[in-house]
Amino acid sequence: DQQVKQNSPSLSVQEGRISILNCDYTNSMFDYFLWYKKYPAEGPTFLISISSIKDKNEDGRFTVFLNKSAKHLSLHIVPSQPGDSAVYFCAASLHNFNKFYFGSGTKLNVKP
Amino acid sequence: GAGVSQTPSNKVTEKGKYVELRCDPISGHTALYWYRQSLGQGPEFLIYFQGTGAADDSGLPNDRFFAVRPEGSVSTLKIQRTERGDSAMYLCASSRDSNTEAFFGQGTRLTVV
Repeated sequence: DQQVKQNSPSLSVQEGRISILNCDYTNSMFDYFLWYKKYPAEGPTFLISISSIKDKNEDGRFTVFLNKSAKHLSLHIVPSQPGDSAVYFCAASLHNFNKFYFGSGTKLNVKP
Repeated sequence: GAGVSQTPSNKVTEKGKYVELRCDPISGHTALYWYRQSLGQGPEFLIYFQGTGAADDSGLPNDRFFAVRPEGSVSTLKIQRTERGDSAMYLCASSRDSNTEAFFGQGTRLTVV
């Protein structure tokens, strides 16, 4: 049973527009969430994180929103750039950074 | 090196053979993690080391899998009697300590034929 789910395997967005990637989780005890970006033939790269005590965290063009009541988080990329094209994984942990549960990923394609 | 280094990048082995996968973490990082990623899925936790000891090995699927980190730096993931179902990308990550985000290596793609 997957505790973190990314229901959209792929997303295509025009350059300059907003990309919204979604993630749902089932375990209400998760208290830390991250987004990783992965290019082909490379390992995942940390992008942005959020603690369960917050509902929003912003870093440049990237913003993560957390809705604890809905057990849902989303990553917004504004404006989207072709270099953002990659697979995005959301991940969640219980009380520490030591063990993360990953979603299956969403492949983002930003068209020039 | 500047990042997490994993060797080999690709490994093809026959069913039933023994394999070792190596991970060189970022210098000075005390925490080290192994994950496994199957096609179309996200990384799945295997084991976490803090220093030399395995602080959490709850993700190892069975006793054919074992990992060591004898000097608190390089780690080796060992798989005995490999099965075709072990075929996956094996990812290693390290972090400065147990309270900071992890940096991943490029992975070792294991194929059992």
